[in-house]
Amino acid sequence: AAGVIQSPRHLIKEKRETATLKCYPIPRHDTVYWYQQGPGQDPQFLISFYEKMQSDKGSIPDRFSAQQFSDYHSELNMSSLELGDSALYFCASRPGLAGPQETQYFGPGTRLLVL
Amino acid sequence: GENVEQHPSTLSVQEGDSAVIKCTYSDSASNYFPWYKQELGKRPQLIIDIRSNVGEKKDQRIAVTLNKTAKHFSLHITETQPEDSAVYFCAASIDFNKFYFGSGTKLNVKP
Repeated sequence: AAGVIQSPRHLIKEKRETATLKCYPIPRHDTVYWYQQGPGQDPQFLISFYEKMQSDKGSIPDRFSAQQFSDYHSELNMSSLELGDSALYFCASRPGLAGPQETQYFGPGTRLLVL
Repeated sequence: GENVEQHPSTLSVQEGDSAVIKCTYSDSASNYFPWYKQELGKRPQLIIDIRSNVGEKKDQRIAVTLNKTAKHFSLHITETQPEDSAVYFCAASIDFNKFYFGSGTKLNVKP
């Protein structure tokens, strides 16, 4: 079965640079979540989208923004990168109206290293 | 917002023994409680979940119990095997909106 796709899988950036992470949800999933997981930490919810609209917001820094496009893929844009942004970034998707009782499924993650 | 606490942070058991991980949550509106297993550098994988209208759920060697009154839920793994070694996270959610994770339990199953 198709899973959540994230690209790139690994990314190395310098401080103050920008980065864009992409997430392609499971087909027919219209809800996307973004998480940041630092080393030895639990996943921290950043932001979520349902039907291309932001549905909830967590601990996302102002330097980050995200959106969901008409094909339901989502992009997390990160600017003025800091060393502390180095982490695993997970995207997860779930069906909204199509399957309201179904849980989220995680992508493989993007490992971001800021030097 | 919701606060999820998880204990213990590390757990070491002998192969074949049982393991129990406990979580508490603060928001009584939370109604969905998944448990994830995460291996190093990999994605969290759902192993079992429970909704607030159910007190207990079992899937082979894994079971979850929920006490809504006390606002705590627990993961029980019986007949542990070395491949059960991983970090386990509990989480709580209201209607599948944002998910709040516990701090994780590193389970080590010794052969």
